[in-house]
Amino acid sequence: NAGVMQNPRHLVRRRGQEARLRCSPMKGHSHVYWYRQLPEEGLKFMVYLQKENIIDESGMPKERFSAEFPKEGPSILRIQQVVRGDSAAYFCASSPWGQMNTEAFFGQGTRLTVV
Amino acid sequence: GQQVMQIPQYQHVQEGEDFTTYCNSSTTLSNIQWYKQRPGGHPVFLIQLVKSGEVKKQKRLTFQFGEAKKNSSLHITATQTTDVGTYFCAESSNDYKLSFGAGTTVTVRA
Repeated sequence: NAGVMQNPRHLVRRRGQEARLRCSPMKGHSHVYWYRQLPEEGLKFMVYLQKENIIDESGMPKERFSAEFPKEGPSILRIQQVVRGDSAAYFCASSPWGQMNTEAFFGQGTRLTVV
Repeated sequence: GQQVMQIPQYQHVQEGEDFTTYCNSSTTLSNIQWYKQRPGGHPVFLIQLVKSGEVKKQKRLTFQFGEAKKNSSLHITATQTTDVGTYFCAESSNDYKLSFGAGTTVTVRA
């Protein structure tokens, strides 16, 4: 849904660099979810955030990955010291309530390529 | 969360023909959602099924939830080139965490 804005759409990073992925939820949505999609696989849950709070980060790798959703501005997914295995499409979704249902929409994703 | 298995992984269909893709689980599902992702695109929500035996239709698409709530199917009639893409089923083990199947990628021969 065009209402959830992700940027950049494509990101190329060399091994060891940092990647910062941004997600602006739909207007009126205060719940944000990040999912990762490896090539030819389904999406995997990473983290669920509300404004200034991480609600569930059970799908986040223990190292190098972090996420935030500040009071002002977009949600950020940060990957430090990227490796080739981080190459994937990262999708953000938002909803007005804490539910991924009919009122949740995905953004167009950021395709990260690590070279 | 639950693990849902989708079959087939790939579906090559002649334009105008019907096909069905299946989503199976070894345990009871609380609900099932279906998404469509066009090549290079993002997942788009299609439908949510909650009740045992539920059947919902969207034009040429028919979604069904099994009586035991362990499987679901998506049937498309008179396939068109606009049906190209990957269809995912997903189960939400709680309100917000979706567990996606690996998807069925559909190609259409004109």
